[in-house]
Order: sequence, then C-alpha cells, then structure tokens
Amino acid sequence: DQQVKQNSPSLSVQEGRISILNCDYTNSMFDYFLWYKKYPAEGPTFLISISSIKDKNEDGRFTVFLNKSAKHLSLHIVPSQPGDSAVYFCAASAGNTPLVFGKGTRLSVIA
Amino acid sequence: DGGITQSPKYLFRKEGQNVTLSCEQNLNHDAMYWYRQDPGQGLRLIYYSQIVNDFQKGDIAEGYSVSREKKESFPLTVTSAQKNPTAFYLCASSIDGQGGIFDGYTFGSGTRLTVV
Repeated sequence: DQQVKQNSPSLSVQEGRISILNCDYTNSMFDYFLWYKKYPAEGPTFLISISSIKDKNEDGRFTVFLNKSAKHLSLHIVPSQPGDSAVYFCAASAGNTPLVFGKGTRLSVIA
Repeated sequence: DGGITQSPKYLFRKEGQNVTLSCEQNLNHDAMYWYRQDPGQGLRLIYYSQIVNDFQKGDIAEGYSVSREKKESFPLTVTSAQKNPTAFYLCASSIDGQGGIFDGYTFGSGTRLTVV
C-alpha cells in the first residue's frame, strides 16, 4: 500500500512559468514532509521541508504548501528554470521512522 | 569536506554471486539507510540503522544483509537470494534516528548494480 503518492509521473513547463508538483499521503501519523531533487545517476538532494504544524514554507523560488485535512502537499517553483529539470521526490516521516518516498515526478523545463 | 561515499559507482555481478556495496560517511551521523530505486518505483527502503551494532529491516529486505560495526560504515550485501538485484542503490545518512526530520537525509551518489 503506497503511503506517499505522486500521481503525475511527468510535467512539462515553459521557462519562467510556475511549476506545481503534487503529492498525496494516506498515513495521518506523518508529521514532517520533504522534497528532494534528483538528477540521473546521482543521489537525491534535499530541497525544502515542512512540519505538520505549518501550512507553508518558502525558500527562494521554492514554496511548499501543506493541506493536512486533504492530506496533500505541493511544491511550487517560480520562476522555473531549465536547471530545475530533474525528478522530484516527495517524502514523509512519522516520528522516528525512516522517510517514505513517493515514486517521483519528472519535471522538464523547456526554454 | 564532509559527505557520504558509495563505491563502486557501477558493479556487475554474475547470477548466483553475492556482492557487497560500500557506504562510508564522515558526517558523524548516527543513522544510515539503504534504498533501492527502480524505474517508476521511487525509492524503497531496504535496511536502516539508527545506531552502531543495530539495524532494522525495511520494506524490501529479503535477499539483502547489512552490518553496522562502525558509525561511519554501513555496507550492503546483495545475496544470491535476491530475485531481481539489478537496480540503482542509494545509501543515505541523517544526524539522528529521527528520520532526518530536521535536516533531511544526505545521500550518496549511488551504485548501479547489473546482474549479467
């Protein structure tokens, strides 16, 4: 049973526009959420996180929104740049348990 | 520079052979993890260790074994019992065993294992 779901395998966005990546979760015990970015043949790199006590966290061009009632979070990238093209993983944590990852969304930013 | 090192980057194994993937970190992190990535499958947890001399099975531990004799090292052995070992293997570490909730995980650059 998949606890973290990224239902869009891929997304294409024009350079300069907003990219919105979505993530849904089923485990109500999750209390911390993270986004990772991954290039081919490399390890994921941490991008941004949010605690369940917040509904928004911003870091430069990246903003994560959390809707606990809907068990949904999203990552907004604005403006999108060609270097943002990568696979983005949503991950969630419940207390001291290891991170659970979604299947990822491949973002392509077209110049 | 502190980091986490996985070696080798590419590994070929004949069917029926065991193979060990190396993972070393100099971040002084307590917890270490092994994930496997397959196309369209995301990252799935194989084993994790929150403290030296202790480790726990993840979601797909069958056919794998680990050891944690030193804080810095968490090698993964892919045994002949693993039915589909060809995959990209990622090692990660975090400051403590709290699932990396404060700083996230630091990942290595991965090892691609191919069974020939």
